[in-house]
Amino acid sequence: GAVVSQHPSRVICKSGTSVKIECRSLDFQATTMFWYRQFPKQSLMLMATSNEGSKATYEQGVEKDKFLINHASLTLSTLTVTSAHPEDSSFYICSAYPLVGGDTQYFGPGTRLTVL
Amino acid sequence: AQRVTQPEKLLSVFKGAPVELKCNYSYSGSPELFWYVQYSRQRLQLLLRHISRESIKGFTADLNKGETSFHLKKPFAQEEDSAMYYCALSASGGYNKLIFGAGTRLAVHP
Repeated sequence: GAVVSQHPSRVICKSGTSVKIECRSLDFQATTMFWYRQFPKQSLMLMATSNEGSKATYEQGVEKDKFLINHASLTLSTLTVTSAHPEDSSFYICSAYPLVGGDTQYFGPGTRLTVL
Repeated sequence: AQRVTQPEKLLSVFKGAPVELKCNYSYSGSPELFWYVQYSRQRLQLLLRHISRESIKGFTADLNKGETSFHLKKPFAQEEDSAMYYCALSASGGYNKLIFGAGTRLAVHP
């Protein structure tokens, strides 16, 4: 089956630093990947849609300069949280939609970001 | 505006009891509805989608456009069904963005 991985699984950083999270589709290609944010005991909130070879589409209220998304290939999208602050601490989840034969998004395991 | 409402944060039942997890949506067009499940310490995974009209792990869900609902049902709950269940809406297929409900935690007790 289609597998999506995320790296790292958890990261702790100091306030003011930048953190990069990778999302990879392991056995399929995906032109579209999605980034979600999940606060404790809350639902997934879509942050942005990442399209290979073009700029990401951000949801209303999400700062594009704060959350940089790069979708450099058909199997990799990265989310960089710039100048992270404690309020950015959250669970970040990506998903990918297969280029061929896809009928649903496949989700990664998530990355727990803690900003001290 | 697109919105998915799951009114129950927690649904607690005993093994063998029927289960219904409620989901209502708001969308002006023809949405595609999904149920996703997240077992403890596992990633989110698709349980079923309305267009496939299939039963997965004994769960079914029927799209009621008149009531704008997509409730998830199972006649006899099992302990392994305990998980977080999310109802989601997509404007035009799984390749488009998903709008998730708040989720309902199902706890099945022995």
